[in-house]
Amino acid sequence: AQSVTQLGSHVSVSEGALVLLRCNYSSSVPPYLFWYVQYPNQGLQLLLKYTSAATLVKGINGFEAEFKKSETSFHLTKPSAHMSDAAEYFCAVNSASKIIFGSGTRLSIRP
Amino acid sequence: GAVVSQHPSWVICKSGTSVKIECRSLDFQATTMFWYRQFPKQSLMLMATSNEGSKATYEQGVEKDKFLINHASLTLSTLTVTSAHPEDSSFYICSAQSGGGDEQFFGPGTRLTVL
Repeated sequence: AQSVTQLGSHVSVSEGALVLLRCNYSSSVPPYLFWYVQYPNQGLQLLLKYTSAATLVKGINGFEAEFKKSETSFHLTKPSAHMSDAAEYFCAVNSASKIIFGSGTRLSIRP
Repeated sequence: GAVVSQHPSWVICKSGTSVKIECRSLDFQATTMFWYRQFPKQSLMLMATSNEGSKATYEQGVEKDKFLINHASLTLSTLTVTSAHPEDSSFYICSAQSGGGDEQFFGPGTRLTVL
């Protein structure tokens, strides 16, 4: 079965600093991978998705993620954090037409 | 495009009553809709998958008689929590997928509080 593991339930960075949220996947077939963002009391918004077209995927709000098969990773990065990036981030994998979510990482931004 | 709405956005009910939550795809036809629940500070857990015009497929451990799902049209699915109890209090999120698409579009969620 396919799954994703997010390392770190909480990440705190200073405004303007690099954001790195870690995600590793487990899949026996080439996976479809996603990153979603959730603001408090709201639904999920798709940041970006990997569908095997390109290993470096650019998403909205300046985020990007790189698919590394050798490391089974799909880490999310942003060069410079903004206060508005504070939210919960979920890595997810498509498995048999279902989306399986990781446990989530809460991103806090320090002024 | 690809907007999904949920109604109500929040609901408070007494223990033992039933609550219906609606999920609508506003600008596309959703052949498949998904229902998730999310407990505080936790991830989303898939409850069931529903295809328009057919019975929902429930995940292991989800009581189908307690969480009634109806997907009668290509733009509307409903989740009814029957005989709600305080432990059913949660954030319920739906998503919708068009035929042939691999992306799910999520609704804004419904917060249910059972007193």
